Amino acid sequence: DGGITQSPKYLFRKEGQNVTLSCEQNLNHDAMYWYRQDPGQGLRLIYYSQIVNDFQKGDIAEGYSVSREKKESFPLTVTSAQKNPTAFYLCASSMGQGNEAFFGQGTRLTVV
Amino acid sequence: AQTVTQSQPEMSVQEAETVTLSCTYDTSENNYYLFWYKQPPSRQMILVIRQEAYKQQNATENRFSVNFQKAAKSFSLKISDSQLGDTAMYFCAFMKHNDYKLSFGAGTTVTVRA
Repeated sequence: DGGITQSPKYLFRKEGQNVTLSCEQNLNHDAMYWYRQDPGQGLRLIYYSQIVNDFQKGDIAEGYSVSREKKESFPLTVTSAQKNPTAFYLCASSMGQGNEAFFGQGTRLTVV
Repeated sequence: AQTVTQSQPEMSVQEAETVTLSCTYDTSENNYYLFWYKQPPSRQMILVIRQEAYKQQNATENRFSVNFQKAAKSFSLKISDSQLGDTAMYFCAFMKHNDYKLSFGAGTTVTVRA
C-alpha cells in the first residue's frame, strides 16, 4: 500500500542525547515536511524539502537537523540543542505546489 | 512570512446542526492555496477541503463547504449536518503559489454532542 510511515510511534530519550525520527514515503512525492505539534500551538513547520539533496528551514528549525539523500526518506534529528524537545512530531509529503499533503501517524518523543 | 490565524480554540455543536470555523491569513500574494485539515482523536491528519485563490467559486465536499473572501483574507469552514465522527481538531493551512512551504494555524477543536 502507498503511504507515509513514521517510526517509532513512541520514543523516549534522556536529556542531552540526539535522537533521529524516521519518515519514509512510497508515494513518489517530491516534497516532504516535518512539523511539531504542541497543545494549543497547532502545527509548526520545522523543515521542508522540495527535492532530493535540498531542504529549507521552517519557522522553528533551531535545534533540529534533516537530510534528504533519497526521495523516499526525510529523517529528522532532534539535537541536544533543542530546549524543549518533548512533543508530537508529524511528517508529511506532497506532490508539491498546491497539492494535498499526506501525513504519517506521528512520533511522540519524550525526553526525560 | 505568511501567518494563519484561527481565533476559536474550541467549538461545540449539537449533532445534525451546523458549525462554522473561522480562519484568516496574512499575505501579500495574489495566487495561493488554502486548505482545511481534520485531525481526529487518532491524530491522523486528513484533508477536508482545498481552495485555489484564483478560483472565485467556493469549494464544497459533501457536508463541508468554505466561504472564501479573498479581499478580507478569510477562509471559513462550514460543517453542515454535524455527525459524531466530525469531532476532531480542524486546521487551516496556507501555501503560496510557486512555493512548497505549507503553514498551519493553531487549530480549532470541534466537539459534536449527541
